Amino acid sequence: KQEVTQIPAALSVPEGENLVLNCSFTDSAIYNLQWFRQDPGKGLTSLLLIQSSQREQTSGRLNASLDKSSGRSTLYIAASQPGDSATYLCAVKDSGYALNFGKGTSLLVTP
Amino acid sequence: GAVVSQHPSWVICKSGTSVKIECRSLDFQATTMFWYRQFPKQSLMLMATSNEGSKATYEQGVEKDKFLINHASLTLSTLTVTSAHPEDSSFYICSAEGAVNTEAFFGQGTRLTVV
Repeated sequence: KQEVTQIPAALSVPEGENLVLNCSFTDSAIYNLQWFRQDPGKGLTSLLLIQSSQREQTSGRLNASLDKSSGRSTLYIAASQPGDSATYLCAVKDSGYALNFGKGTSLLVTP
Repeated sequence: GAVVSQHPSWVICKSGTSVKIECRSLDFQATTMFWYRQFPKQSLMLMATSNEGSKATYEQGVEKDKFLINHASLTLSTLTVTSAHPEDSSFYICSAEGAVNTEAFFGQGTRLTVV
């Protein structure tokens, strides 16, 4: 069974810092990996989707990389802002067709 | 991105009653919809996978007679929590995909409180 781990569980940084969130998974036979943002009590907003054949994806200040062979992905957030405060979830899709989620990284960006 | 609408966003019901949650894909046809459950400070746990026109596939430990899933069209799936009890109180969230292994889009979630 696919296990997805996210480190750190929580992170607090001052505004303007660049930061990296980590995600690891145990079974490298995946179809894709997605990063989501979840605000308290809300649903999930898709940030980036990386297909298994891709190495990275970029959207604005966000960059996600994928190293399938080592079972790792990172989400890089440049020039963090207070509005980036949220929980960031990593999820991988494998042969089960559903997404397998990590527990998330709770990010707080202070002004 | 595509839009998935989930209603209601919150509901309070009495123990023993049933609650229906709707999940609609507004601008695409969803061949597959997924239902997840999330407890406080925990990750999302898959409850079931539903494909249009066929019976849902439930994950181990999820009671199919308690959590009824109907996927009657390519844009609508419903989850009915039957004879709800306080332990069913949770955050329920659906997702939809237009094709296999494409990007998943999520609804806003439903906060269910059973009193």
